Amino acid sequence: DTEVTQTPKHLVMGMTNKKSLKCEQHMGHRAMYWYKQKAKKPPELMFVYSYEKLSINESVPSRFSPECPNSSLLNLHLHALQPEDSALYLCASSQARDRVSGNTIYFGEGSWLTVV
Amino acid sequence: GESVGLHLPTLSVQEGDNSIINCAYSNSASDYFIWYKQESGKGPQFIIDIRSNMDKRQGQRVTVLLNKTVKHLSLQIAATQPGDSAVYFCAGGGTALIFGKGTTLSVSS
Repeated sequence: DTEVTQTPKHLVMGMTNKKSLKCEQHMGHRAMYWYKQKAKKPPELMFVYSYEKLSINESVPSRFSPECPNSSLLNLHLHALQPEDSALYLCASSQARDRVSGNTIYFGEGSWLTVV
Repeated sequence: GESVGLHLPTLSVQEGDNSIINCAYSNSASDYFIWYKQESGKGPQFIIDIRSNMDKRQGQRVTVLLNKTVKHLSLQIAATQPGDSAVYFCAGGGTALIFGKGTTLSVSS
């Protein structure tokens, strides 16, 4: 079982709504990630936090706003989304982003988002 | 640029057979590779990893082979079981993981 916990598992929201996805890990990992996965496609990296600081933003639209309140928590704030943003949003974590250590990334079960 | 891809989108095997899933990568600087299994409705699950200074690594019923000369890695699953049915992704990179397209493994009894 994954030690990365995501809530909610399912979310339906309108295009004018504001909602948040939450992620928590207690493995002591210092790097946390948001990925987006469309049906039958591989996960695509959105954001990376390293030691609670945003280190990578893969040109994600500003309607997605990440937040890392502490080393165990990662949020993704959603506002004014479009139907094409409907997807599985995966949170993940790893010990660090140091390439010598390796980047074994552990995923949560994801939050299924539907924008109507 | 860097890309990671799989040769076949689907693979169908009989229960008890050995399965081989292949992956090719383009960036010689990739120094770390991971195989993930993703079942329907779930997040990717770590299976096995390998560093670029290794040619082979074995786990429980799984073996990953890395051929740096031709930039190819494979996942071998021994005695494939129906529970192995899933989408398998290879992922590689240095500071950020890039996922290949995925192979859907179907195991029939």
